[in-house]
Amino acid sequence: KQEVTQIPAALSVPEGENLVLNCSFTDSAIYNLQWFRQDPGKGLTSLLLIQSSQREQTSGRLNASLDKSSGRSTLYIAASQPGDSATYLCAVKTNTDKLIFGTGTRLQVFP
Amino acid sequence: ETGVTQSPTHLIKTRGQQVTLRCSSQSGHNTVSWYQQALGQGPQFIFQYYREEENGRGNFPPRFSGLQFPNYSSELNVNALELDDSALYLCASSPRGAQTRETQYFGPGTRLLVL
Repeated sequence: KQEVTQIPAALSVPEGENLVLNCSFTDSAIYNLQWFRQDPGKGLTSLLLIQSSQREQTSGRLNASLDKSSGRSTLYIAASQPGDSATYLCAVKTNTDKLIFGTGTRLQVFP
Repeated sequence: ETGVTQSPTHLIKTRGQQVTLRCSSQSGHNTVSWYQQALGQGPQFIFQYYREEENGRGNFPPRFSGLQFPNYSSELNVNALELDDSALYLCASSPRGAQTRETQYFGPGTRLLVL
């Protein structure tokens, strides 16, 4: 059974810091891995999607890596800003087409 | 903007009642998935509909049921509501069914509170 874990559960940092959020999964048979952002009480916004054959994806200040063999992904946020404050969720997609989510990392960036 | 819409945005029900949540998928998408997100947790897969047929189900009891219509919009029905059903219900659409590498596009969710 696929399980997804995210560490840390919460993070509070001053503006400008570079951050690393971690995601691990137990079964390497995935189609892809996706990072989402969720603002309080809102839906999910897709940030980065990494296919199983890829090693990383970049979008602006965000970079996500995938190591399928070790069951790990990291989301790197450069030069964090207060507007980055949100919950970050990682999810893996299996051959059943469903997404399996971690419990998220709650990020607060203070000025 | 994702193009996936959900209604209503908020809903308050009492234990034992029934509720119907609605989702309109993004144009061109024929697959709809439903997720339940309890407070402080990640979303949990409820079920998926592909071309009007259920195409996979998570660990939810039969009182959670769904429909998909010819225009690919979808409903989630929950009977005999329990307090633990209080959650954010998310709908996601994607352009193809199982074994696809396409992403899913999420709607804003319906917040259900059961008293």
